[in-house]
Amino acid sequence: AQSVTQLGSHVSVSEGALVLLRCNYSSSVPPYLFWYVQYPNQGLQLLLKYTTGATLVKGINGFEAEFKKSETSFHLTKPSAHMSDAAEYFCAVSRGNFGNEKLTFGTGTRLTIIP
Amino acid sequence: SQTIHQWPATLVQPVGSPLSLECTVEGTSNPNLYWYRQAAGRGLQLLFYSVGIGQISSEVPQNLSASRPQDRQFILSSKKLLLSDSGFYLCAWSNFLSGNTIYFGEGSWLTVV
Repeated sequence: AQSVTQLGSHVSVSEGALVLLRCNYSSSVPPYLFWYVQYPNQGLQLLLKYTTGATLVKGINGFEAEFKKSETSFHLTKPSAHMSDAAEYFCAVSRGNFGNEKLTFGTGTRLTIIP
Repeated sequence: SQTIHQWPATLVQPVGSPLSLECTVEGTSNPNLYWYRQAAGRGLQLLFYSVGIGQISSEVPQNLSASRPQDRQFILSSKKLLLSDSGFYLCAWSNFLSGNTIYFGEGSWLTVV
């Protein structure tokens, strides 16, 4: 079974400050990991994903995440927050290449940017 | 490129009325298709997924059903809506070409009154 825990349902950062959104997962098989962003009243947009290979993955809008197997974490970061980053962010895990593409989502983190 | 269309975008329905939400995918073939629900203040819950025409798996017992009459068409239905069916419904697709990545539609807001 898989599960995802996102620490902090609400995170506020000042414009220009570091963004850090935390995600921990559990999986019985090597996972594929994803971050999605959801702007108000819209669907989910893929930010980045980790499948295999390099553990530091870069995504759109200046975001990146690092897969740390020893810590079972996949935290999302951005060096300098922008007002347009205000949205809800979801971490998700799938069973990778074991033929099951269903995602298990975390409960989401709402990011607020303070001017 | 692949696109996913979902409609209607917004729906207000009385309790006990039927529901039909439609989703189509273009630019790919043999996709896996999904229906997710996002209730207010909560995460995403997988309702149904389909690996082929007529093949539907239900993840949770509920008042809803799904059908896949064509390869790239996925329909979410209910015969009689409940207040608890209100929420944001998202259709999504994936296949081997997407590299195990699931892509979402724009969502449909359902308010049951």
